[in-house]
Amino acid sequence: DAGVTQSPTHLIKTRGQQVTLRCSPISGHKSVSWYQQVLGQGPQFIFQYYEKEERGRGNFPDRFSARQFPNYSSELNVNALLLGDSALYLCASSLRTATNEKLFFGSGTQLSVL
Amino acid sequence: DQQVKQNSPSLSVQEGRISILNCDYTNSMFDYFLWYKKYPAEGPTFLISISSIKDKNEDGRFTVFLNKSAKHLSLHIVPSQPGDSAVYFCAASEYNNNDMRFGAGTRLTVKP
Repeated sequence: DAGVTQSPTHLIKTRGQQVTLRCSPISGHKSVSWYQQVLGQGPQFIFQYYEKEERGRGNFPDRFSARQFPNYSSELNVNALLLGDSALYLCASSLRTATNEKLFFGSGTQLSVL
Repeated sequence: DQQVKQNSPSLSVQEGRISILNCDYTNSMFDYFLWYKKYPAEGPTFLISISSIKDKNEDGRFTVFLNKSAKHLSLHIVPSQPGDSAVYFCAASEYNNNDMRFGAGTRLTVKP
């Protein structure tokens, strides 16, 4: 079975640009979460979506948005990129949204903002 | 507000010995705790978890201990193997809150 897949694996953008990151969850998983991992820190929660509805949002500015499609795949959009947005963006899927549900992570998209 | 802290950025142990990774938390509302392992160029993978109603959970070579009064948990790996070399993240969640909090990670190196 395929795991969580993310694309692209690496991305270089300049300040002010916009970026879209994509994620396909494990087959049968209806929940997708997005995390940002800055170098030297642990993953930080951005969004969770379940059945196409936002179920949770972390402490990130409105420049960050996401959506989930009928096939449960998801996109994370970041507008007006800042240097500080440079990070590894991780997508995780799970069967449900219960807080004791273990997450299955993709390998991430490494975003560099120059 | 760093609610989950892993104060040791790195740990080195000899193959066959015990590895003990520590994690402290500040939010008394956390009721579920997990450990994830991360190899380079891969996403974190789930290792073991514990509910706040327990103080110990064991899975093969991995045991997690929870001390609620001290707001402290630890991961024991016995015996340690070179393949265990990775970054280990402690994570915690609160009932009905999807914002899972992660520590900064501890890089474990197991020397042959």
